[in-house]
Amino acid sequence: DIQLTQSPSFLSASVGDRVTITCRASQGISSYLAWYQQKPGKAPKLLIYAASTLQSGVPSRFSGSGSGTEFTLTISSLQPEDFATYHCQQYNVYPLTFGGGTKVEIK
Amino acid sequence: QVQLRESGPGLVKPSETLSLTCTVSGDSFSGFYWIWIRQPPGKGLEWIGHISNSGSTKYNPSLKSRVTISLDTSKNQFSLKLNYVIAADTAVYYCARSPDCGRTSCFWFDPWGQGTLVTVSS
Repeated sequence: DIQLTQSPSFLSASVGDRVTITCRASQGISSYLAWYQQKPGKAPKLLIYAASTLQSGVPSRFSGSGSGTEFTLTISSLQPEDFATYHCQQYNVYPLTFGGGTKVEIK
Repeated sequence: QVQLRESGPGLVKPSETLSLTCTVSGDSFSGFYWIWIRQPPGKGLEWIGHISNSGSTKYNPSLKSRVTISLDTSKNQFSLKLNYVIAADTAVYYCARSPDCGRTSCFWFDPWGQGTLVTVSS
């Protein structure tokens, strides 16, 4: 199975901060990576697919980059509604797998 | 706008079968894969498996011997059965959708249902 390791697992930041989350794959997955945002008690919401394609309706302050084994999710200017847990997911090979999540909290 | 909603018992006894249904509204089944994912309390997400609109299935090997996913297009529903459940199967279970991109893999998940908590306990 492909292991996805997210770092950090916990992040404390302020409104307006630039935030970067990393997802590393245990083997190359080309650009077959998605990012999700999950708020407490809610289902995850798709933010980015194909490593860097923004899902329709997602604010442009979110961006994704990377290919192969290293990927990043960047929030250019953190907003109050962005405090949540972020998950990466690979869909290059079966079984489809997720990272362990990064929780972004208010400093 | 497509919406998905999970339904089924919230409590299942150990060794019994967990059965959930996902009802799809606002779109057809054609051109998509239909997904089950779970999340144990306080933990990460786990892909359980999926079914295509033609009925072909793929399961996570960690659960393969116990899982069945089926489709009922006449009712706009797809279902999950997980046999011989144990306490570790306690989780929020989500249904979701992926586009069918043919030869290219595009198994990202959007949208998701709201999720339903299933507790395994006697």
